[in-house]
Amino acid sequence: AQSVTQPDIHITVSEGASLELRCNYSYGATPYLFWYVQSPGQGLQLLLKYFSGDTLVQGIKGFEAEFKRSQSSFNLRKPSVHWSDAAEYFCAVGARGNKLVFGAGTILRVKS
Amino acid sequence: DAGITQSPRHKVTETGTPVTLRCHQTENHRYMYWYRQDPGHGLRLIHYSYGVKDTDKGEVSDGYSVSRSKTEDFLLTLESATSSQTSVYFCAISEGRMGNQPQHFGDGTRLSIL
Repeated sequence: AQSVTQPDIHITVSEGASLELRCNYSYGATPYLFWYVQSPGQGLQLLLKYFSGDTLVQGIKGFEAEFKRSQSSFNLRKPSVHWSDAAEYFCAVGARGNKLVFGAGTILRVKS
Repeated sequence: DAGITQSPRHKVTETGTPVTLRCHQTENHRYMYWYRQDPGHGLRLIHYSYGVKDTDKGEVSDGYSVSRSKTEDFLLTLESATSSQTSVYFCAISEGRMGNQPQHFGDGTRLSIL
């Protein structure tokens, strides 16, 4: 069965600084990987997904993520954070026919 | 944004009462899901549907039932609500099977059981 770990519960970065949110997964085969963002009082919005091919994937709002099979990781990055990026971020892993499993989330705070 | 409407958006009720949450979609997607979100747990799957009248259990299905009589509607019922079911409930939809298709989420229902 697959599982997802987001090691950081909270992260605080200054506006304009770079961001990296960590995600580690456990799955025996090539997984399908997703990052979602949730603003307060809202549902989850898909930022990006990885199914196969190029291991660096681009998403919306200037985010990107890199799949590293050797490290079982799918970290989310953004070169310059904006105050509007403050939200909770969820990594998720799925496999064909199996359930989509979410990490516990990382809350991003942006300080001005 | 995907056309997903959850109702009600907020509900407060008492222990032991029945509660039904509704999810309505306008995307004609085959798959629909109910999740609950609790601090420190992310989202956990309660039940899902892969077609009209076709449903199956997720990882936290005890105390919940679902029904899907039309493609566009997926109902979640708590037959006798308990305080442990206080949570935020999200409906999601996808075109394809669970793990290999992106899911799109509604805005959630905040349910408080006193």
